[in-house]
Amino acid sequence: NAGVTQTPKFQVLKTGQSMTLQCAQDMNHEYMSWYRQDPGMGLRLIHYSVGAGITDQGEVPNGYNVSRSTTEDFPLRLLSAAPSQTSVYFCASSPTDSRATIYFGEGSWLTVV
Amino acid sequence: KQEVTQIPAALSVPEGENLVLNCSFTDSAIYNLQWFRQDPGKGLTSLLLIQSSQREQTSGRLNASLDKSSGRSTLYIAASQPGDSATYLCAAGNFGNEKLTFGTGTRLTIIP
Repeated sequence: NAGVTQTPKFQVLKTGQSMTLQCAQDMNHEYMSWYRQDPGMGLRLIHYSVGAGITDQGEVPNGYNVSRSTTEDFPLRLLSAAPSQTSVYFCASSPTDSRATIYFGEGSWLTVV
Repeated sequence: KQEVTQIPAALSVPEGENLVLNCSFTDSAIYNLQWFRQDPGKGLTSLLLIQSSQREQTSGRLNASLDKSSGRSTLYIAASQPGDSATYLCAAGNFGNEKLTFGTGTRLTIIP
């Protein structure tokens, strides 16, 4: 049981480049979310999805795009990378039950130069 | 807008001591309050989840409490061990688990 898998683990981008961070879960969870973690700021919600075909913005959505074509996958796209997007990105998934455990991936370290 | 605060940012205690980590939140209309552990370079691991109707949850040496009226939660760790060294984060779930508001964490070091 793989849980939540994120790829790549490390990436260096040049300003203006685009890329996609991949997130996949094998637990048939409806809820999936993307967070970024910056020093001294905790985790902040970027985008989230409550099921296939349904996505919505979180606290810091600018510069990011998401789609949810399947239950398993929730990719995060950086449209035109900026140094301010240098961060650690975490994907999370959970069932719809608010009493259920949330599972996080191991993170993707992104540096924009 | 929900705001979650964790103080102190870092804490060091000798092995074997009991300790309490604090979490405060501004909006008491929460579904749940969750505690996570994060090891360096790793993702978050769920430790305890307290539903809004509950006052506390226990798992082994860990006990988490919730006081919605005062906007506070605590994580109590009994008989601390070096393996407990990690960053502990709390998060408030106002709408469910798809949208959590996190505190900035407390970095705990247990001194052997």
